[in-house]
Amino acid sequence: QVQLQESGPGLVKPSETLSLTCSVAGGSISTYYWTWIRQSPVKGLEWVGYIFYGDNTNYNPSLEGRVTMSLDTSTKQFSLRLSSVTAADSAVYYCARGFNFFDYNYLDVWGKGTTVTVSS
Amino acid sequence: DIRMTQSPSTLSASVGDRVTITCRASQSISTWLAWYQQKPGKAPTLLIYKASTLESGVPSRFSGSGSGTDFTLTFTSLQPDDFATYYCQQYNSYPYTFGRGTKLDIK
Repeated sequence: QVQLQESGPGLVKPSETLSLTCSVAGGSISTYYWTWIRQSPVKGLEWVGYIFYGDNTNYNPSLEGRVTMSLDTSTKQFSLRLSSVTAADSAVYYCARGFNFFDYNYLDVWGKGTTVTVSS
Repeated sequence: DIRMTQSPSTLSASVGDRVTITCRASQSISTWLAWYQQKPGKAPTLLIYKASTLESGVPSRFSGSGSGTDFTLTFTSLQPDDFATYYCQQYNSYPYTFGRGTKLDIK
């Protein structure tokens, strides 16, 4: 049974970079679309983007080039970096596994989520 | 971006009721739609994908239907564990988008 676990700072200062890591336990890290989603009262659930084996990425254009994802197959972890954060980036951040079918992928396993607050 | 509109936003129902919630996409998404259940303080969990395929382990009292722009999630007989918030999500085109949710609470 695959399990995902997010980790990272719960508090980030405005204009700094948010960095989160998701650890994958109990399954393969190849062949899936490793995805980040965030949830806030204002925006609801928002798809942030994914990284696929081979460093293929797809990001939400709304994040205006501030997002970077990476994948470390040796440690079975993938990461999210979001730069120049503002209070609007405060949210619960979830990592999830995208189960792929011809580039259509639904999210079949989710981490428990981690709350990130942007504040000075 | 494709806008996903769910209705109603809140629904009060009783155990044993048959209930249907709807999700409408702003443009055709074929059947590339998923439904998720979320309970307070927890992550969403996958119920249905490809509009009508039940995820493994999900009770058969849940069913999904629809294609194109209009979709439904139906509960044939509500159970106490079903009171939660339900989200639809399109995965037809990027960026993937979610509805704002339907909160199902006990009447």
